[in-house]
Parts: sequence; structure tokens; C-alpha cells
Amino acid sequence: SQQGEEDPQALSIQEGENATMNCSYKTSINNLQWYRQNSGRGLVHLILIRSNEREKHSGRLRVTLDTSKKSSSLLITASRAADTASYFCATDPSGGATNKLIFGTGTLLAVQP
Amino acid sequence: NAGVTQTPKFQVLKTGQSMTLQCAQDMNHEYMSWYRQDPGMGLRLIHYSVGAGITDQGEVPNGYNVSRSTTEDFPLRLLSAAPSQTSVYFCASTLQTNTEAFFGQGTRLTVV
Repeated sequence: SQQGEEDPQALSIQEGENATMNCSYKTSINNLQWYRQNSGRGLVHLILIRSNEREKHSGRLRVTLDTSKKSSSLLITASRAADTASYFCATDPSGGATNKLIFGTGTLLAVQP
Repeated sequence: NAGVTQTPKFQVLKTGQSMTLQCAQDMNHEYMSWYRQDPGMGLRLIHYSVGAGITDQGEVPNGYNVSRSTTEDFPLRLLSAAPSQTSVYFCASTLQTNTEAFFGQGTRLTVV
């Protein structure tokens, strides 16, 4: 079964707008990671947030983590056409013992020029 | 560094055939994993390894075998291909726990 579920499943915005996608997970975690996948390509790591962190920034990305609600959000500010991709959250339900990541079903983001 | 290299990129098999998907990494990572990605399903873990000689099952291991004789290589074997194994397969490696995973470019497999 999927550990994470992203919401929404699909999102279409205009260039320059902000995009927010959410992830919910089921078990306790050591960290939560976000990945991007361009069409037909492998996944690329975006950001890792640890369970004792509430917010983390990387360039135009802002990730929040609420362990009490078992949820995370990824905000992409000032979006560009090149941000068009699928975005996945991933967690290790073993609590970091094995690094076997379980992925959500993803959010497909389309940024219209 | 090449990172994680998967071969082949595309493969068509007939039902019942066997084959091996290759995965190699040159980053001296201890942890390696195989995932399959199906439309609307995200990535599902097939098998993973925490080091040479150590493997374990993931969410969907049936019909697949793995071995890890070296740190660099983690091949995935399909024993008797079935149409249900039509998917895109990704290999990933990680230096240690609680760190980012590096993915290969994938193998698109079609079983007819």
C-alpha cells in the first residue's frame, strides 16, 4: 500500500503563479523527501526535511512538515514552464533503518507559459 | 561520475521469457533499490539491498529476483515474464539512511 498520498492529483497554473501540493503519510518518519520527475525521465531529489524540522527552503521551493497531522506541503513560488513535471513525496516507514523509500502517487503539475 | 546507470532503456519480451535488468552505480553507495512505476500508481518498491550480499523484499516482489554480489551492481531478474510486469523500472541508490536517493533513467519493459 502507498505510504504517501499527494493532493491534488493534477494541477494547472500560469507561469509566475505559485503551486502548492500536499502529501499525507501513515506512519512515524525520520524524514520526508520530495522528488520531481520530468516526463519519461528518472526522479530527481528536491529537498529532504527531517522530522524535527517544520519548514525548509531551497531556492524557489518551500517545504513544511506537520508530524502531528502526518502531512507535508511543497510550495513552488514564481513557477516557470520548466517546472512542469510530476512531484512525489517519499518516506521510509522503517524510521530510517533501511532507507527503503515508499512513494506517494504524485501530483502532475502543468505550468502554462 | 555516471551516477546510476540502467540498461537496457527499452525492452520487449514475450510472455514466459526471462531477462535481467542491469543497474550499476559508481558512487560507492551502500543502499540500492528497484521500483516499478505504473500509470496512476506512483513508484512501488520491488526489492532493496542494504549492502553487498544483503537483499530483502519490498511491496511487490513476486516474479522478481535480485542479488547483490558487489557494491556497484544490483541486477533485477524477471524469471518468467507476464503482461502484468509491463511497466517502467527504476533503480535507485543511496549513500546511507536518511539521505537522498539517486535514480537511474529507467527501463521501459513491455511484455506481450
